[in-house]
Amino acid sequence: AQTVTQSQPEMSVQEAETVTLSCTYDTSESNYYLFWYKQPPSRQMILVIRQEAYKQQNATENRFSVNFQKAAKSFSLKISDSQLGDTAMYFCAFSIIQGAQKLVFGQGTRLTINP
Amino acid sequence: DAGVIQSPRHEVTEMGQEVTLRCKPISGHNSLFWYRQTMMRGLELLIYFNNNVPIDDSGMPEDRFSAKMPNASFSTLKIQPSEPRDSAVYFCASSFRGLNEQFFGPGTRLTVL
Repeated sequence: AQTVTQSQPEMSVQEAETVTLSCTYDTSESNYYLFWYKQPPSRQMILVIRQEAYKQQNATENRFSVNFQKAAKSFSLKISDSQLGDTAMYFCAFSIIQGAQKLVFGQGTRLTINP
Repeated sequence: DAGVIQSPRHEVTEMGQEVTLRCKPISGHNSLFWYRQTMMRGLELLIYFNNNVPIDDSGMPEDRFSAKMPNASFSTLKIQPSEPRDSAVYFCASSFRGLNEQFFGPGTRLTVL
């Protein structure tokens, strides 16, 4: 069974700072996807970024980037030039590629961006 | 595209009543997922369908929970009878199998008194 662990329940930074959210996972699969989802107070789940495990290059989406360390089973999210609108719960999630494509989520990190 | 549509957005009911949550996936998507979010357990998968067929319902907590997908554009999650511990936010998500990207609906906040 796959598990996803987010060790930081809460984080808080000042606007424009850079923040890194941690995520580790456990799996015996070799091919899989990793995701970061954002859940603002509206509770809508929004995909921030995804990473295919077979790709060595780290994914980036504008101010969002990941540090994917496959051997260490680590998948951190870096938010650069943080904005007030980044305030939200952030969930790390895992999905295998073949067969059951359900998402397994971590417990989430509540991120607050202060003005 | 309107995205994944869920109804109702909020539901308040009394213990013992039947509750039906509804979901319309994105047109063309062939996988549909029901998740439940609680403070204690976080986000957990209840059941998912591929091409309208239930594939994995191991997350359904009890026989009180049932889900159907009569066609590609509609799914229901029913709780009968409801209990206070069923209070949670229920999300429906859909994807096109093979792309592994799930799109979530806005969720239904269920409160069972």
